[in-house]
Amino acid sequence: GAVVSQHPSWVICKSGTSVKIECRSLDFQATTMFWYRQFPKQSLMLMATSNEGSKATYEQGVEKDKFLINHASLTLSTLTVTSAHPEDSSFYICSANPPGGSYNEQFFGPGTRLTVL
Amino acid sequence: GQQLNQSPQSMFIQEGEDVSMNCTSSSIFNTWLWYKQEPGEGPVLLIALYKAGELTSNGRLTAQFGITRKDSFLNISASIPSDVGIYFCAGGGMDSNYQLIWGAGTKLIIKP
Repeated sequence: GAVVSQHPSWVICKSGTSVKIECRSLDFQATTMFWYRQFPKQSLMLMATSNEGSKATYEQGVEKDKFLINHASLTLSTLTVTSAHPEDSSFYICSANPPGGSYNEQFFGPGTRLTVL
Repeated sequence: GQQLNQSPQSMFIQEGEDVSMNCTSSSIFNTWLWYKQEPGEGPVLLIALYKAGELTSNGRLTAQFGITRKDSFLNISASIPSDVGIYFCAGGGMDSNYQLIWGAGTKLIIKP
């Protein structure tokens, strides 16, 4: 149980284009999902908290108009990187809390490697 | 943002050795979690701790929630090659927003 998937696992795009990353909870419903970014040899950096049916909560310094989050259902959250630039190249990881467990136990997807040329 | 103090930053170990790493914080946490991340993958939850003083094992892994609620350690006994990876501690439960505060990670490397 508590399986989280992400799609795509990697993507290469041209500068100026938009990229959508999907995060799905496969065997549970998640009212809250989290989006992280991780640069090489660094820890996870929380970008935003995605809430089903309401607006995402963004961390300080994260541009909400550039990183659009849509939590359309209890099993799907999407992150769209708009007008991507090379500095947006990173490893993007989502996580979710399964119900019934500790609200701090986050289960992670396999990550999406974004490379912007 | 806030980050936990995790040490050591990296460890060179020989197969069969025991390993110990820890995390400290100036803040109190209600939950301590330990994750392992391998290259190109998301972190995998190893052990979750919920009570001060709690000692929990998962196979060869043992973790403890410090009495002061400001620290935790993770031990790996009799290390094997597949233990290689980056181990992260995370603290949570300070408030109701479900967020975790992360350590910088400890990279485990097997000596050739």
